[in-house]
Amino acid sequence: DIVMTQTPLSLSVTPGQPASISCKSSQSLLHSDGETYLNWYLQKPGQPPQLLIYELSNRFSGVPDRFSGSGSGTDFTLKISRVEAEDVGVYYCMQSIQLPLTFGQGTKLEIK
Amino acid sequence: QVQLVESGGGVVQPGRSLILSCAASGFTFSTYGMHWVRQAPGKGLEWVAGITFDGRNKYYADSVKGRFTISRDNSKNTLFLQMNSLRAEDTAIYFCAKDLDVFSLNFDYWGQGTLVTVSS
Repeated sequence: DIVMTQTPLSLSVTPGQPASISCKSSQSLLHSDGETYLNWYLQKPGQPPQLLIYELSNRFSGVPDRFSGSGSGTDFTLKISRVEAEDVGVYYCMQSIQLPLTFGQGTKLEIK
Repeated sequence: QVQLVESGGGVVQPGRSLILSCAASGFTFSTYGMHWVRQAPGKGLEWVAGITFDGRNKYYADSVKGRFTISRDNSKNTLFLQMNSLRAEDTAIYFCAKDLDVFSLNFDYWGQGTLVTVSS
């Protein structure tokens, strides 16, 4: 199974400031079709997860452009350009290049 | 709009069975893959099982293989998870999730989840 490792596990950010979450995979997520199968989800308190970014850098419908995904191979980053209060929750990376699908441990974002 | 409503959770003794359902609406159910993802209390996310749009192909996490069965009824827009030989470690909120595409292994819509507690 592919192991996904996120850092940090928690971060506290002042509104309006940027935030960055790292995710590393134990195997390359670059497929022979040229796509990188790394995805990001946000689980807000008391809610199910919601899709933010799929296939490395594609924002899902309705996701604000302050969210961006980048990286390659086994190292990936989710960036929030200017954190807002509504961004609180736990962020998960997930690989979808092979089954079983596996998630990172999650990164809890709090607002200062 | 897309709606996924899980049901069937509850308290069950170890070794017993339970069946979860997920009623889907707001999209053409028969053209999308579907999945179950679970979350133990206070823990992270674990993919449990997935099924292709036509029900022909089913995939499972090793932790549930041989005990759980995913299925679907496209005529009733409903996804199922039959859970047998339940263990304490199966205690979790079970989410039903819609695939972003035919079977892209991404989840664009999730239900609110149903809680399964395995305890004597």
